[in-house]
Amino acid sequence: EAGVAQSPRYKIIEKRQSVAFWCNPISGHATLYWYQQILGQGPKLLIQFQNNGVVDDSQLPKDRFSAERLKGVDSTLKIQPAKLEDSAVYLCASSLERGRGELFFGEGSRLTVL
Amino acid sequence: KQEVTQIPAALSVPEGENLVLNCSFTDSAIYNLQWFRQDPGKGLTSLLLIQSSQREQTSGRLNASLDKSSGRSTLYIAASQPGDSATYLCAVGATGANNLFFGTGTRLTVIP
Repeated sequence: EAGVAQSPRYKIIEKRQSVAFWCNPISGHATLYWYQQILGQGPKLLIQFQNNGVVDDSQLPKDRFSAERLKGVDSTLKIQPAKLEDSAVYLCASSLERGRGELFFGEGSRLTVL
Repeated sequence: KQEVTQIPAALSVPEGENLVLNCSFTDSAIYNLQWFRQDPGKGLTSLLLIQSSQREQTSGRLNASLDKSSGRSTLYIAASQPGDSATYLCAVGATGANNLFFGTGTRLTVIP
């Protein structure tokens, strides 16, 4: 069974530039999550989708971050404009069932903002 | 708000030792608890998932326990190996929140 796929693995940008990350969840997983992991910390939820609808985006900095999950499969997370404090690993995860299922994570996309 | 704490932050042990990693959480209203492993520069690999109605789960040399009433979980690793060196993260699924709250992890080094 293929795991959660993410790209790109690494991205370096200047502050105020924009960046987009892509995630393809495990086939059949209805719930998709984007987490931000700053160095030395545990992951923090940014946004959660159930199929193509947003369940929770309370921790998403909506002035600069946006995410979508068209057709309930792939998802894209965008940051525009980026700030220095956005340097982190962005992790995508998926689960079969919302709320009680086991989460499976991708390899992550490491962003460095200079 | 659910807060998850992991102690110790770092641990070094000689190969072959048995060890215990600790996780505590502030709100006992959880629906599951998951232990993950994270290698440097990598994503998270799920190790064990314990549902709120369970007391423990085992997989190979790993055993995780859950005591909801006291807000604690432990991950026991038997006969540690250098390949076990990684950061171990505990995450709790909070009832009503539908997502996981993570601790900051324990960085384990197993010395050959």
